[in-house]
Amino acid sequence: GAGVSQSPSNKVTEKGKDVELRCDPISGHTALYWYRQSLGQGLEFLIYFQGNSAPDKSGLPSDRFSAERTGGSVSTLTIQRTQQEDSAVYLCASSLGVSSHSYEQYFGPGTRLTVT
Amino acid sequence: AQSVSQHNHHVILSEAASLELGCNYSYGGTVNLFWYVQYPGQHLQLLLKYFSGDPLVKGIKGFEAEFIKSKFSFNLRKPSVQWSDTAEYFCAVTHSGAGSYQLTFGKGTKLSVIP
Repeated sequence: GAGVSQSPSNKVTEKGKDVELRCDPISGHTALYWYRQSLGQGLEFLIYFQGNSAPDKSGLPSDRFSAERTGGSVSTLTIQRTQQEDSAVYLCASSLGVSSHSYEQYFGPGTRLTVT
Repeated sequence: AQSVSQHNHHVILSEAASLELGCNYSYGGTVNLFWYVQYPGQHLQLLLKYFSGDPLVKGIKGFEAEFIKSKFSFNLRKPSVQWSDTAEYFCAVTHSGAGSYQLTFGKGTKLSVIP
């Protein structure tokens, strides 16, 4: 079946511009996660959505970062006033649920963001 | 806060050599443990996972890992590596608690297998 998809695959933007990154989770998966993979920091958790519950935003590095998930499916990660340190690969993952039997996270191919 | 340490940044092996990649975590409670692999140009894939039960877990492609609670370790092993195992390997942990579903990853270990 279809996996997690992300768009765009690559994004180059100028410092100070806003960007939107999109994630389409696996159909039927109720949990959705955003991570960031950068050379200096490795893989870092950003935000987590589960069903209709309030998202866990504890990993967002600053208030320039926000995310939403519409209709319990597609998610958009928005970075406002981008900075060079935002350059990274942004990964989306989804899982069927969050119980021990449904917790496995499936990752998308990522969006490589380069801020010039 | 929980953290994950992977001891080796880059490991170089010849084909048929045995592999062991170290992973230690810091968290005193109940944890769930994972190894993910990222092949060149591909996205992260789950190799294996431990939730409970037998501490020796077997994954795909002949990999296995052993959870040793007293050592806070979850080392990855493979008896005989192949060139196709060249990839980056990430250990990850989440702890069993309300709202704690995000993965905390180690920095990763690059494995290069020489034919």
